[in-house]
Amino acid sequence: QSVLTQPPSVSAAPGQHVTISCSGSSSNIGNSYVSWYQQLPGTAPKLLIYDNNQRPSGIPDRFSGSKSGTSATLGITGLQTGDEADYYCGTWDSGLSSWVFGGGTKLTVL
Amino acid sequence: QLQLQESGPGLVRPSETLSLTCTVSGGPISSSNHYWGWFRQPPGEALEWIGVIHYSGSTYYNPSLKSRVTISGDTSKKQFSLNLNSVTAADTAVYYCARIDSSTSGSYYMDVWGKGTTVTVSS
Repeated sequence: QSVLTQPPSVSAAPGQHVTISCSGSSSNIGNSYVSWYQQLPGTAPKLLIYDNNQRPSGIPDRFSGSKSGTSATLGITGLQTGDEADYYCGTWDSGLSSWVFGGGTKLTVL
Repeated sequence: QLQLQESGPGLVRPSETLSLTCTVSGGPISSSNHYWGWFRQPPGEALEWIGVIHYSGSTYYNPSLKSRVTISGDTSKKQFSLNLNSVTAADTAVYYCARIDSSTSGSYYMDVWGKGTTVTVSS
């Protein structure tokens, strides 16, 4: 059971837009920054978003992040088949004194 | 560019110690702005944070694993290592090392990851 809650799966057609939610509490998302990671099949995670909504160099602006209260959201526009992956949110939990991840969301581009 | 590479045995016997090393290339390990961490992912499951080390020697561990984990560093070799003792089948996972960067806002995030190494605990 992950501390951060994500939907197990989402799907959408190529070219469409999708959002992935990440729900937490006041001890984690509520008082800390959220980052998002993309894990393509059989590969290591890759940083997509940090500081809730900042994209590292090289990440296309099709990817966006937002945070409100104790929830965060990853948005992906102009979906491509190459976006099929597992997506994880993560943040620091001050109550647990531990870095925590969501359970991951599998994105299928139909 | 910065690269991280995990190395170590792929098979560990139950009750023994899992030992992995992460070698950093293409950049410094002795950076005050960065931590170096270990993560793992059991088959079909989510990512889990194990712990981090700063080049100064400061370490922070996942409370759920703290009694069994030691992370150490060798800056001269640009390496940091993970020791996890008393392993069971539940410790079977892909183990990743990563660099933890910090932003001007003071947050932390993992910006460079190794490719990962699979460790199976079995007799």
